[in-house]
Amino acid sequence: QVQLVQSGAEVKKPGSSVKVSCKVSGDTFSSHAINWVRQAPGQGLEWIGRIIPIFRSPNFAQKFQGRVTITTDDSTNTAYMELSSLRFDDTAIYFCARDGTGIRGSHFGGYWGQGTLLSVSS
Amino acid sequence: QSVLTQPPSASGTPGQRVTISCSGSGSNIGTNEIYWFQQFPGTAPKLLIYRNDQRPSGVPDRFSGSKSGSSASLAISGLRSDDEVVYYCASWDDTLSAWVFGGGTQVTVL
Repeated sequence: QVQLVQSGAEVKKPGSSVKVSCKVSGDTFSSHAINWVRQAPGQGLEWIGRIIPIFRSPNFAQKFQGRVTITTDDSTNTAYMELSSLRFDDTAIYFCARDGTGIRGSHFGGYWGQGTLLSVSS
Repeated sequence: QSVLTQPPSASGTPGQRVTISCSGSGSNIGTNEIYWFQQFPGTAPKLLIYRNDQRPSGVPDRFSGSKSGSSASLAISGLRSDDEVVYYCASWDDTLSAWVFGGGTQVTVL
């Protein structure tokens, strides 16, 4: 079955960058969108952006424009999310989520990684 | 503030039916499909309902979704103690060109 395995927890200083990986196994990689979603402590879900590997053209929530980069490596079936100019309020769990496949094709949020905790601390 | 509006809490007794609402606008729920996720503490969200009313394989038929206009609902029938977690709605927003979520509803089994 489809599995998404993310990289481990990170501790970063304000102003630095972090790159989180998401390795997909169990299904074709290129044709399904991979979304990145974060959840601050005790808060709800917030969409960051997405990429469809075969198209290689990501799009992002306006809030993160200019600060986030989403890429994929087809050779390793891995997606990456890099967030720069980190701030204290970027402290959150970051999830990757791949589209599922249902009765009418691909749909949002079918499979999720386990999450990567990012702590931004001085 | 979340783009989609959910009540912060909902409750019911074991075996009851509980309904969670999700209110949006014409640029999201009014035009696009609604999704529902269930999240246990310390774990990733799990897809419960996609494309308004479809259940992924393995999701019990106790969970059902519906949509009318710019609002949607998730119904949980035969409420069980292990339903006592947080539920989120989500939809694509054409104006924002982004996936948007509700703030989440904590279900309590009395």
